[in-house]
Order: sequence, then structure tokens, then C-alpha cells
Amino acid sequence: DTAVSQTPKYLVTQMGNDKSIKCEQNLGHDTMYWYKQDSKKFLKIMFSYNNKELIINETVPNRFSPKSPDKAHLNLHINSLELGDSAVYFCASRPWAGGSDEQFFGPGTRLTVL
Amino acid sequence: AQTVTQSQPEMSVQEAETVTLSCTYDTSESDYYLFWYKQPPSRQMILVIRQEAYKQQNATENRFSVNFQKAAKSFSLKISDSQLGDAAMYFCAYLVQGGSEKLVFGKGTKLTVNP
Repeated sequence: DTAVSQTPKYLVTQMGNDKSIKCEQNLGHDTMYWYKQDSKKFLKIMFSYNNKELIINETVPNRFSPKSPDKAHLNLHINSLELGDSAVYFCASRPWAGGSDEQFFGPGTRLTVL
Repeated sequence: AQTVTQSQPEMSVQEAETVTLSCTYDTSESDYYLFWYKQPPSRQMILVIRQEAYKQQNATENRFSVNFQKAAKSFSLKISDSQLGDAAMYFCAYLVQGGSEKLVFGKGTKLTVNP
């Protein structure tokens, strides 16, 4: 009964390729996020969606395009992958966009660009 | 913009002893929320403890407690009776509010527990 799941968990690809990471939450939450954790373990928000609507876009290159087909899913598509995109990408969700509720994180997807 | 600083990249503690991890933050808000997350080698992000800024009482969760000093903008985590399973990266985080809530993380502290 995974609350927030991501596929794949590991992704190895060549520079220049296009790839997608999928995220699903079965918690009934309205708000979902993508975070990037770099090689030094620093975590930074990339995007946030609330009920399929984009509410945060943190100066991420436009090669990254999130898509939310419904409020339980938030996918991340990356075009023309670069070496610097290698990182762990975390999806997270919380009940709604306000309040202080904790964010529930997925297991992360380790992306390696060769 | 809010920032979170963890000044200890690495800490170590003997099993069964107590360790304190430091965190300071910068904000002009008066009402906000702070969190400590744990990331073991499995990579999973796990919430350890949460503190509401309007509450003067320090939060506690079993062996984990915080020392929240609002005026000093300090939010340290104390782990008592350390266990081998406490070994992990620990991240302090500030919840930015205002319609587009997001977590701003510190750079983390790697905690080693020695048997």
C-alpha cells in the first residue's frame, strides 16, 4: 500500500535523450511536488501542482515539463538530457496547498545521464 | 527569501548517547512551520518532528525533541539514546506559506552512530 510511488526507481540514459518519470499518490491529496536532490544531497523544489494546476515553477529550465493528468498523478518529462540533470528526483504530496501538513515523499528516482 | 542553514555537515555519536543537530533559519514571517526530515541510506524521506512557530512548547516525538528558539531563529534537534537505526542524513526544513507552500531545506547533516 505505497502512499507515494515513483517509476522508475533508477534511470540510466545518454545525453540528449528524452525521458519521463511518473508519480502517483493514493492518499487523496490535492497538492503534489517535484524536488531535485543533487550529488551533494541538497534538496530543492522544482514544481508544485494543486488539483492539476501549476502553482510553483522554480526557475527550472524549460527542458523540464511537468504534467498532471489528474490530481493523483504528477509526471516529469525531461527533454534533451544533460549531464547536470543527473540527480535523485523526489515526488511528494500533501493534503492541500495551505496549512502545515507534512509532505509525504516518494522513494525517489535516481537519474544518471552518461 | 527564506534560507535554512545547517552548520554541521557531519556528526557522530556513540550508541545510547545523546546528540544535537543544529539548524538556523532566516525569515521575516511571524507564523511558520519547521520540520526535521531523516533520509536513511534507503533514500526515503521520513518526517521526524514538526514545530509550529506560534507554539512556545518544544515538540517531542519519543527520543526526538527540538529546542526551538524563535528570537534566535534556531531549531535544533536532539536525539536521545541514539540507536544504530538513527544513522542517516538529517534535513531541517522551513515551510514557506502563502498560497504556494513549499519546503526550503538546509544542506543536511550526516549522522553516524558508532556501536
